[in-house]
Amino acid sequence: SQKIEQNSEALNIQEGKTATLTCNYTNYSPAYLQWYRQDPGRGPVFLLLIRENEKEKRKERLKVTFDTTLKQSLFHITASQPADSATYLCALEDPGTYKYIFGTGTRLKVLA
Amino acid sequence: NAGVTQTPKFQVLKTGQSMTLQCAQDMNHEYMSWYRQDPGMGLRLIHYSVGAGITDQGEVPNGYNVSRSTTEDFPLRLLSAAPSQTSVYFCASSTPSVAGANVLTFGAGSRLTVL
Repeated sequence: SQKIEQNSEALNIQEGKTATLTCNYTNYSPAYLQWYRQDPGRGPVFLLLIRENEKEKRKERLKVTFDTTLKQSLFHITASQPADSATYLCALEDPGTYKYIFGTGTRLKVLA
Repeated sequence: NAGVTQTPKFQVLKTGQSMTLQCAQDMNHEYMSWYRQDPGMGLRLIHYSVGAGITDQGEVPNGYNVSRSTTEDFPLRLLSAAPSQTSVYFCASSTPSVAGANVLTFGAGSRLTVL
């Protein structure tokens, strides 16, 4: 069965630095991969989607890369702020099944 | 436009009791799903539905039932609650965007404790 691993359970960085989160998957060739943000006590909120034929996607201070050879996606937050502190989840769809599989998430804390 | 609404927000049950977690969406989304979230386990898919009258099992379906009689509603039933079902439950819905990619919209969650 496919598996998604997010390499760090928790990541602390200083304000203003770039946070880099990693998502690795196995046994699967997804057509696209998604990133969500989850704040404590709330449901996940969609941030970005990147397709298999896209190497990079940007949205304001967020950047996502997708390497289908390495089976890896990187999620970057540049000029990080304390308000960026949250848990970030990557997700992919088992193709043709409508089953969306999530990683366990990385809890990011941006220190002022 | 309320999005995805889950009720109740909190619930405490005794072992063996039954209950229904409600989920409603007002976005006319075809796809709806239920996840449970446990520490260190991430979000795990329980059941999902691709339209009214159609449901299927996810990764952890045992102990849960679902039905989809309308597009808007997708209730999750616990038939005989067990302590292992203590968790936070999330309902999500989506509809295919351009080129078929589904982006999930989540509810705020329902925290269930089974004693």
